[in-house]
Amino acid sequence: DTGVSQNPRHKITKRGQNVTFRCDPISEHNRLYWYRQTLGQGPEFLTYFQNEAQLEKSRLLSDRFSAERPKGSFSTLEIQRTEQGDSAMYLCASSLDPTSGMETQYFGPGTRLLVL
Amino acid sequence: KNQVEQSPQSLIILEGKNCTLQCNYTVSPFSNLRWYKQDTGRGPVSLTIMTFSENTKSNGRYTATLDADTKQSSLHITASQLSDSASYICVVSAKDQAGTALIFGKGTTLSVSS
Repeated sequence: DTGVSQNPRHKITKRGQNVTFRCDPISEHNRLYWYRQTLGQGPEFLTYFQNEAQLEKSRLLSDRFSAERPKGSFSTLEIQRTEQGDSAMYLCASSLDPTSGMETQYFGPGTRLLVL
Repeated sequence: KNQVEQSPQSLIILEGKNCTLQCNYTVSPFSNLRWYKQDTGRGPVSLTIMTFSENTKSNGRYTATLDADTKQSSLHITASQLSDSASYICVVSAKDQAGTALIFGKGTTLSVSS
């Protein structure tokens, strides 16, 4: 396994269009996270899954955003009716459910979204 | 309010010199603290992870310290190299009933010049 992969790596779309990103975590990892990062800022937590269950969702997450992890493996993040403010790098990370309280998240390369 | 603040915002040093990056946090209940290195256009890469009881942890030329009493951490880079040029992000983990939440700092941008 080569790590967390994300597709596409880049996406340019027009305002109002819907976009969907995919994340494939490390195969044995049961936790999967989505983050958003804008230029010059640290990553901002969006949501995370434990297997197929979405356990936490950021209060900052608009209703236009939805994430799924139907089989507990790959995940998709959909943004409906995109706005220019959605332009950012969308990062996915995966980890094993920590038994010792020490969780290490492994990040994918990200999907860079540009909304025109 | 859970917050992680890093300083300086940016730093320029000469190759071979040492530098120290700071991270102050107000996160509760504290679980652990991580330092990540993020190259431009790439995802973050974990450097160290420290729990409440750990004061110092090294990873090659990187040494992280943690003072849980003052809620401060530092990342010291020894004998810097051009490849150290990146953003260094401090992330503090808080555990609650819903699971683990990660609070990210905005990062320190380090530029190493020859």
